[in-house]
Amino acid sequence: GAVVSQHPSRVICKSGTSVKIECRSLDFQATTMFWYRQFPKKSLMLMATSNEGSKATYEQGVEKDKFLINHASLTLSTLTVTSAHPEDSSFYICSATGTSGEVGTQYFGPGTRLLVL
Amino acid sequence: AQSVTQLDSQVPVFEEAPVELRCNYSSSVSVYLFWYVQYPNQGLQLLLKYLSGSTLVKGINGFEAEFNKSQTSFHLRKPSVHISDTAEYFCAVSDNYGQNFVFGPGTRLSVLP
Repeated sequence: GAVVSQHPSRVICKSGTSVKIECRSLDFQATTMFWYRQFPKKSLMLMATSNEGSKATYEQGVEKDKFLINHASLTLSTLTVTSAHPEDSSFYICSATGTSGEVGTQYFGPGTRLLVL
Repeated sequence: AQSVTQLDSQVPVFEEAPVELRCNYSSSVSVYLFWYVQYPNQGLQLLLKYLSGSTLVKGINGFEAEFNKSQTSFHLRKPSVHISDTAEYFCAVSDNYGQNFVFGPGTRLSVLP
C-alpha cells in the first residue's frame, strides 16, 4: 500500500514552453501533497505544500506564478512549470500523506526529470 | 523549527563490513524521525521510521536505527552491507503532527567489492 506515481518520468522541452507533471496516490487518499526539487548530488528542497481543495503554500523563494500547483482531488496533484527555462532543469519529486500508513509518514513518487533546452 | 545534520557526505565501505550513517537533529518540540534511501535516478524509499515506543527501530533491507533523545541522534546501522546498498541516504525529521518535514543533506554510501 501507499504507492505514489508520477508522470512523466522524464521530459525534455524547449525554453519558453510549459510542462505539467502529475502526482497520483494510487491506493490511498492524499490529504496533503508535497512538491520537492532536487539538484544534482543535493538534498531535497521543499517547494510547496498542497492540501486537497485549497491553495498551495509555497516556501520562501519559490515563485508561485512560475510553479503552479493544483490539488483538485484526493488522489491527484499537478505541478506546472510555466515558461520553462534551462535553469528550471531539475529532478522534481512529489510526496503524499493521507489515509494510508502511519501519521506523519510521507510516501514519495519516483520523480520526474525535467530538461529544458 | 527543525533541522537535520548528516556529518558524513560520503561513506565508502567494503562489502560485508558494518556501516553506521550518522544523523543528528535539533528541535524544540517532539519529533518523528525517518531514514530514506534514494537509488540513482529514482525517488525516495522509506527505510524506517521512529514515531514512538521502542528506541531501536528495524527497517527494510537489514537496516536499523536507534533514537537517542539525550544526544538528539538517529544513527542508521547495518551489520553487513552489500554492493546493492550503494545509494544516497537521507535522514529526515518532522514534528509529531507530521508537519514541518525537513531533510538532511544526505550521505552517499559506496560499497566497494
